[in-house]
Amino acid sequence: EVQLVESGGALVQPGGSLRLSCAASEFTVSDKYMSWVRQAPGKGLEWVSVLYTGVTTYYADSVKGRFTISRDNSKNTVYLQMNSLRAEDTAVYYCAGGPLFSYYMDVWGKGTTVTVSS
Amino acid sequence: QSVLTQPPSVSGAPGQRVAIACTGSSSNIGAGYDVQWYQQLPGAAPKLLIYDNTNRPSGVPDRFSGSKSGTSASLAITGLQAEDEADYYCQSYDSSLSGYVFGTGTKVTVL
Repeated sequence: EVQLVESGGALVQPGGSLRLSCAASEFTVSDKYMSWVRQAPGKGLEWVSVLYTGVTTYYADSVKGRFTISRDNSKNTVYLQMNSLRAEDTAVYYCAGGPLFSYYMDVWGKGTTVTVSS
Repeated sequence: QSVLTQPPSVSGAPGQRVAIACTGSSSNIGAGYDVQWYQQLPGAAPKLLIYDNTNRPSGVPDRFSGSKSGTSASLAITGLQAEDEADYYCQSYDSSLSGYVFGTGTKVTVL
């Protein structure tokens, strides 16, 4: 079964760092555009970052300069390194993948929760 | 803040038809970028419902249909069922942001 499994969510203090992982099964992450999408408590979906083929990456303005998306092909895993975390980064973080040359996401993980609080 | 605007809520009785509008601008929907729709059931991850404006992934009932015109798109649900009660989000690409954008979300209530 094609699936994504996120991990790494935790309670972290403001200014701290965290790395989220997203492991893929039954498909190769380098064959899809891989994204992170987050959802703050009681709020809507917010796109965070995308990793296209190669090393091309884009970020939402709200996380630019603080978050980094990357991929390890040998582990078939995508990561989101989050630095200088703020209270407003508190959310469920979903990993999602979509076909190359398209802007939709057809595979989603169940999400991992990040809470930024002192 | 979301770039695509949706009504906060819509409701209908079982069997009725409801429609959800998604309004964008000249840098996203109006620029020709495709629109997707996702369904999010309570406590669950989003699920792709419609892609490339009108296409349904395998397994999505044909009660769900999408359309696009100008700077807007719409999701229609016909023959509304209790299991359709969920949050629905539109999504596209925005050239000025160089990224994906989501709608504000619409809660569908089955009366």
